[in-house]
Parts: sequence; C-alpha cells; structure tokens
Amino acid sequence: EPEVTQTPSHQVTQMGQEVILRCVPISNHLYFYWYRQILGQKVEFLVSFYNNEISEKSEIFDDQFSVERPDGSNFTLKIRSTKLEDSAMYFCASSEAAGSAGELFFGEGSRLTVL
Amino acid sequence: TQLLEQSPQFLSIQEGENLTVYCNSSSVFSSLQWYRQEPGEGPVLLVTVVTGGEVKKLKRLTFQFGDARKDSSLHITAAQPGDTGLYLCAGPNYGGATNKLIFGTGTLLAVQP
Repeated sequence: EPEVTQTPSHQVTQMGQEVILRCVPISNHLYFYWYRQILGQKVEFLVSFYNNEISEKSEIFDDQFSVERPDGSNFTLKIRSTKLEDSAMYFCASSEAAGSAGELFFGEGSRLTVL
Repeated sequence: TQLLEQSPQFLSIQEGENLTVYCNSSSVFSSLQWYRQEPGEGPVLLVTVVTGGEVKKLKRLTFQFGDARKDSSLHITAAQPGDTGLYLCAGPNYGGATNKLIFGTGTLLAVQP
C-alpha cells in the first residue's frame, strides 16, 4: 500500500541551527502539507503546497520556515534557525485532491528536539 | 476561529465495555473526519462524515455527524485493547481551498485487557 515516508524519524539539534525535514509523498498525489504536534497539544496546520507553490500557511509558518519540492519526489520543510519552541513532531501529509474529497495520508512523523 | 473540542480528554476502560467520544464546535463544518493516532505514528483516517445526521459504521465503531454539522460522536462497542490510541476529530477550515484541517483536542483511550 502506498505510504508517505519521512526522514529523519528523530533529530536533535542545538538552538539556532538549521534543520531540514524530508518527506516523500504518495507518488500520484498533488497536494502536500506539513503539520506539527507539540507534545501534549493539538495537531496544527503549518502549510499546504500545490503546483510548486504555497497554497496556504498558518501564522506559525513565519519567515524561519520554508518548503520546497526540489526534485519531483521529495517535499522538504526547512527551519532556518531553530528555537526551543520548535520542538515537536512534524507530520507530512499528501492528498490526491483538495477539499473534503481529498483524504489526507500522513507520514509517521519526524520528532525534532531543540536543545 | 473554528475550534473543535473533544471529550473526554482521557478514558480508561476494561475490555468489552462500550464508550462514546464527542467532538463539538460552535462552527458549522462541511465535513468532519475521525483519525486514530498511535504512539510514534501519524494520524490514520478512520472515516469522513459529510451529511448532517449521517451515521457510518466501521465494524465496532459507529460515527455520527450532528444534524447541524457542528458536532460528531464516535461510539465503540465492546472495546478491545487494540482500540487503544489517541482519537482525533478534524474538519476542513471554513472556506479553505486546500485541506487545511482543524484538529480537535484529542481523546486518549486506553483499553485494559
């Protein structure tokens, strides 16, 4: 069964360092997303991406964050200068369609720990 | 701001018991989804309810969407240890063109053997 894969599964970094989280969405999907879940809190939307550009982003997704689809298969989330409060599980998701018809498939997540 | 509140937050029951989890909002949603998330994994979609009053069954799980499309419930019959996990409701952001989902606060279910 096709699945969304994410790497790394866990990354520990020092505050101020750059981090890149990688995702391989399901191959025929056209919409890509990043969500995050701080320990004990809700899953929160960060950004959606379609046709090689950001479709929508939340207030969390500030200038320190960027997304890219560098090679047609990977979808990356970059945090330029990590802060302690960036520690969270980051989930990539993809869907074939938009709107309520488009079921989201989530990856297993990348746990980011900022020290 | 669209918010989804779930209750209860935590539920610990014995195998074989029935339970209901609630998802409530003051906002109308075009649809609501239920996910289950296990430790160290991403949310997995269980069901999408679209029509007000709709009831969907998935084996021992029964999902209902409120008539006014502001709330939903998940009922599990004869719970099993394998049902243990975090149950999340989620709905699409009002007017959103993409699948920006608003997630609920979650219900952590533990089924003891």
